[in-house]
Amino acid sequence: QQQVKQSPQSLIVQKGGISIINCAYENTAFDYFPWYQQFPGKGPALLIAIRPDVSEKKEGRFTISFNKSAKQFSLHIMDSQPGDSATYFCAASTLNNNDMRFGAGTRLTVKP
Amino acid sequence: NAGVTQTPKFQVLKTGQSMTLQCAQDMNHEYMSWYRQDPGMGLRLIHYSVGAGITDQGEVPNGYNVSRSTTEDFPLRLLSAAPSQTSVYFCASSGPGTNSPLHFGNGTRLTVT
Repeated sequence: QQQVKQSPQSLIVQKGGISIINCAYENTAFDYFPWYQQFPGKGPALLIAIRPDVSEKKEGRFTISFNKSAKQFSLHIMDSQPGDSATYFCAASTLNNNDMRFGAGTRLTVKP
Repeated sequence: NAGVTQTPKFQVLKTGQSMTLQCAQDMNHEYMSWYRQDPGMGLRLIHYSVGAGITDQGEVPNGYNVSRSTTEDFPLRLLSAAPSQTSVYFCASSGPGTNSPLHFGNGTRLTVT
C-alpha cells in the first residue's frame, strides 16, 4: 500500500484562486518532503521542499505547510495561474533518494 | 546542458519480447534511478545506482535488469515483456549530498500488447 497518500486526484481552480493539495505519510522516519511538478510530456521537476524542523516554507506563490504531529503536509498555490496547470506529486524520504515514496499525484487545472 | 536524456520516447512491444530503455546524463551525477509511473500509483522506484558498477533494487524490481558501466549511462532492460509492464518509465539522477533534487528525463511510454 502507498506510504504517502495524496488528495485530491484532480482539482479545478479559477485563475487567481488558491489551490490546495494535501498529503499524509505513515513512516515517522521520513524527514524530507518535496513537491514535484510535472507538465504533459515532461518529467517531474522539483518545485519546493521542506524538512520537519519548520512548519511552513514559502517560495513565491508556493507554500508548504507541515504538521509533524498529524503526519500531514500540504501545498498551497496562491493566485493560481493557467501556467500552473500540471500534475503535482508530493513525496517523502529519509536522507536517501532511494527510499523516496511518491503520492499518486494531483492533476491541477487552472481555468482562465 | 542536455540533463537527463531518455530514448526512445515511445515503444510498443509484444508479450515476451525484450528491449532496453536508454538513459544518459551529462551532469556527472553518481546517483541514477529508474521509476515507473502508473495512473493512481505515482512514481515507483524500480532500480537505482549510487555509482559505476553498483546497482540495487528499488520498490518494484521484478522483471527488470540494470547495469552501470559508466557514470553517464544507466540502461533498463526488460528481458521478457509482459502487459503489466505497460507504463511510462522515467530515469532520474541526482548530485552529491543528502536529498539532492532528482533530475528527471522526459520519459519513455511503453505499451506491451
